[in-house]
Amino acid sequence: AQTVTQSQPEMSVQEAETVTLSCTYDTSENNYYLFWYKQPPSRQMILVIRQEAYKQQNATENRFSVNFQKAAKSFSLKISDSQLGDTAMYFCAFMKPGSGNTPLVFGKGTRLSVIA
Amino acid sequence: DTEVTQTPKHLVMGMTNKKSLKCEQHMGHRAMYWYKQKAKKPPELMFVYSYEKLSINESVPSRFSPECPNSSLLNLHLHALQPEDSALYLCASRRGVTTTGELFFGEGSRLTVL
Repeated sequence: AQTVTQSQPEMSVQEAETVTLSCTYDTSENNYYLFWYKQPPSRQMILVIRQEAYKQQNATENRFSVNFQKAAKSFSLKISDSQLGDTAMYFCAFMKPGSGNTPLVFGKGTRLSVIA
Repeated sequence: DTEVTQTPKHLVMGMTNKKSLKCEQHMGHRAMYWYKQKAKKPPELMFVYSYEKLSINESVPSRFSPECPNSSLLNLHLHALQPEDSALYLCASRRGVTTTGELFFGEGSRLTVL
């Protein structure tokens, strides 16, 4: 079974600074997807960024980028130029490819606070 | 339309009540999910529907009864719930077979059982 570990329950960062959230996972699969989801206090889970394991290039989405280390099974999220609106719970998640009923495995989350 | 719509947003019910949560998507997704989320915890999978058929039930008590009347609609019928069932209930959808794999989530229904 796959597991996802987020070792930082809470983090804070000053506005405009950069912060990195850690995520490690365990799997015997060679092909899979990794995601970072954001859940602000408004509670909707929003996809921040995704990475296909077969792609060596790290995914980027504007101020968000990942450092994907397949051999180390590490998938960290870097947020640059942090904004107050980035305050949220961040979940790292793993999924095997295949049919649509494949469950998403979540880490326990990291609560990020951006301070003005 | 990339939305998953859930109603109601808030629900308060007694332990003897019968109520339903509703989830709708018009993205043509053929996999739909119910998750339960307690405060400061990750979502926990409850049910998965694939092509309108129940494919995964994560040993959820029978007081929760899912229904998928059509490919766009997913319901969760609630009956004789317990106070510990109070939580945020999230619906999500995904294309049946896809290269991206992402789930689209609704805003959730906040359930309080008195």
